[in-house]
Amino acid sequence: KQEVTQIPAALSVPEGENLVLNCSFTDSAIYNLQWFRQDPGKGLTSLLLIQSSQREQTSGRLNASLDKSSGRSTLYIAASQPGDSATYLCAVSGSGGGADGLTFGKGTHLIIQP
Amino acid sequence: GAGVSQSPRYKVAKRGQDVALRCDPISGHVSLFWYQQALGQGPEFLTYFQNEAQLDKSGLPSDRFFAERPEGSVSTLKIQRTQQEDSAVYLCASRYRGGYTFGSGTRLTVV
Repeated sequence: KQEVTQIPAALSVPEGENLVLNCSFTDSAIYNLQWFRQDPGKGLTSLLLIQSSQREQTSGRLNASLDKSSGRSTLYIAASQPGDSATYLCAVSGSGGGADGLTFGKGTHLIIQP
Repeated sequence: GAGVSQSPRYKVAKRGQDVALRCDPISGHVSLFWYQQALGQGPEFLTYFQNEAQLDKSGLPSDRFFAERPEGSVSTLKIQRTQQEDSAVYLCASRYRGGYTFGSGTRLTVV
């Protein structure tokens, strides 16, 4: 059974710092990996989607990498801002596409101090 | 529509009551998923539809949970005889080319 672990569980840093969130998964046979952001009481907002054949994806100040063979992904946030405060969730989808749903980690709760 | 719409946004049910949660996916998205998110946890898979066919319901926690999508668009998640442990946020998502779009969820509180 696929298991996804996110480290750290919580992180509080001053505004302006660059930071890295980590995600690991036990079964490397994934179809893709997706990073989401969740604000309190809200649904999930997709940030970046990395297909299994890709190594990284970038969107603005966000960069996500994927090392499928080692079962790891990182989300890099450059020049953090208070508006980045949220819970960040990593999720993987099983190989072969099709019916496989996402398996999520428990998330990293991020606070950016003004 | 432009996004995945879920209703109601909040639901308070007395223990033993039946509830129905609605999901209106993005038009044209054939794949639809339901997830359950307990407080402080990541979402957990409940069930999956491709058009009107329920292809995977392995995540449904008990036979009190039932989902349907009769015309391949709107889906309803029904929970019978609600229990306190059913309290959670229920998220619906539709999928296109591997990317998932989630609704804002229904927060169910069973008292």
